[in-house]
Amino acid sequence: DQQVKQNSPSLSVQEGRISILNCDYTNSMFDYFLWYKKYPAEGPTFLISISSIKDKNEDGRFTVFLNKSAKHLSLHIVPSQPGDSAVYFCAATDGGAQKLVFGQGTRLTINP
Amino acid sequence: KAGVTQTPRYLIKTRGQQVTLSCSPISGHRSVSWYQQTPGQGLQFLFEYFSETQRNKGNFPGRFSGRQFSNSRSEMNVSTLELGDSALYLCASSSGVGTYYGYTFGSGTRLTVV
Repeated sequence: DQQVKQNSPSLSVQEGRISILNCDYTNSMFDYFLWYKKYPAEGPTFLISISSIKDKNEDGRFTVFLNKSAKHLSLHIVPSQPGDSAVYFCAATDGGAQKLVFGQGTRLTINP
Repeated sequence: KAGVTQTPRYLIKTRGQQVTLSCSPISGHRSVSWYQQTPGQGLQFLFEYFSETQRNKGNFPGRFSGRQFSNSRSEMNVSTLELGDSALYLCASSSGVGTYYGYTFGSGTRLTVV
């Protein structure tokens, strides 16, 4: 049973525009959420996180929104740059679990 | 400071053999987690070690095992390899202290079972 889902396997966005990546979860025990970016042949790199006590967190061009009632989070990248082309993973955890549950990933392609 | 180091980067093994992968965490980090990435299943948690003790385990068969040494370096072992074990194995290092803590991943070991 997939507790974290990224329903879009791929997304293509024009350079300079906004990229929106979505993630849904089913486990109501999850209370901390993270986004990772992954290039081929490299490990995932942490981007941004959000605690369930917040509904928004910003870091430069990256903003994560959390809608607890809908069990949905999204990552906004503004403006999108060619270097943002990568696979993005959403992950979730609960306080004592010491493990991350990942979504399947969304491949983002930024077109010049 | 140095990142998470995984060795080897690539490995080819034959079905039925066993394999050992190594992970050196960031200096000062006491927690090491292992994840398996496959095209079909995505990134899945294998286990986590903290101060030489396994704190959590994922849903993998007993053929998958690990250990952590006093210097926090960790190894994972897969015995009786199957074709389906072909994957990218990722190690994540963290302080392991507190409720939420950041995970830094290594570049992974690409295992191919033939």
